[in-house]
Amino acid sequence: QAVVTQEPSLTVSPGGTVTLTCASSTGAVTGRHYTYWFQQKPGQAPRALIYDTSNKHSWTPARFSGSLLGGKAALTLSGAQPDDEAEYYCLLSYSDARLFGGGTKLTVL
Amino acid sequence: QVTLRESGPALVKPTQTLTLTCTFSGFSLSSKRMRVSWIRQPPGKALEWLARIDWDDGKFYSPSLKTRLSISRDTSKNQVVLTMTNMDPVDTATFFCARIDFGDDYWGQGTLVTVSS
Repeated sequence: QAVVTQEPSLTVSPGGTVTLTCASSTGAVTGRHYTYWFQQKPGQAPRALIYDTSNKHSWTPARFSGSLLGGKAALTLSGAQPDDEAEYYCLLSYSDARLFGGGTKLTVL
Repeated sequence: QVTLRESGPALVKPTQTLTLTCTFSGFSLSSKRMRVSWIRQPPGKALEWLARIDWDDGKFYSPSLKTRLSISRDTSKNQVVLTMTNMDPVDTATFFCARIDFGDDYWGQGTLVTVSS
């Protein structure tokens, strides 16, 4: 059974850049994992920022981007703002199921 | 406008079976590429994908929970039903139904289910 791993926590300075990653225990993450990235704030349902590795939704701020990096899925935030402080989850697709990562708590400080 | 709403008991006893219903509008689960998933989130913990049902009645389950889960649909009522057997206090969580495939991002508000005697 696969396990999806994210950094438990990261800190970024306002205006700074940070990359969150998402790894699969089965090997390299590829485009066929159709990676989603979600942002979740306390008391709210998750909201997708990225789908299919790098596609943005209409509401996704331009400062967020998705990619594949070194065998992992990556979410890069360039120009962090205080409002970006949240929990971030990746979601990977496998042949017969999907798996969330454990989440990354991003602090903007 | 796509909406999803979860309903079911707020409290179940250990060993009981949980039945949750997702009632949706704004789409038909019979339409190609439509999928509805169930996700849960224990208080203060991570999201966990549970199951999915597709437009062609394909069904997919979390490998770690597949022996306890069952998903079904009633296309005439626009509903998806999730059952989880042998509930335990560690299963206490907010359960969400959602459309999160093919670029979709629609979620219900979630329903908190507490497992306690």
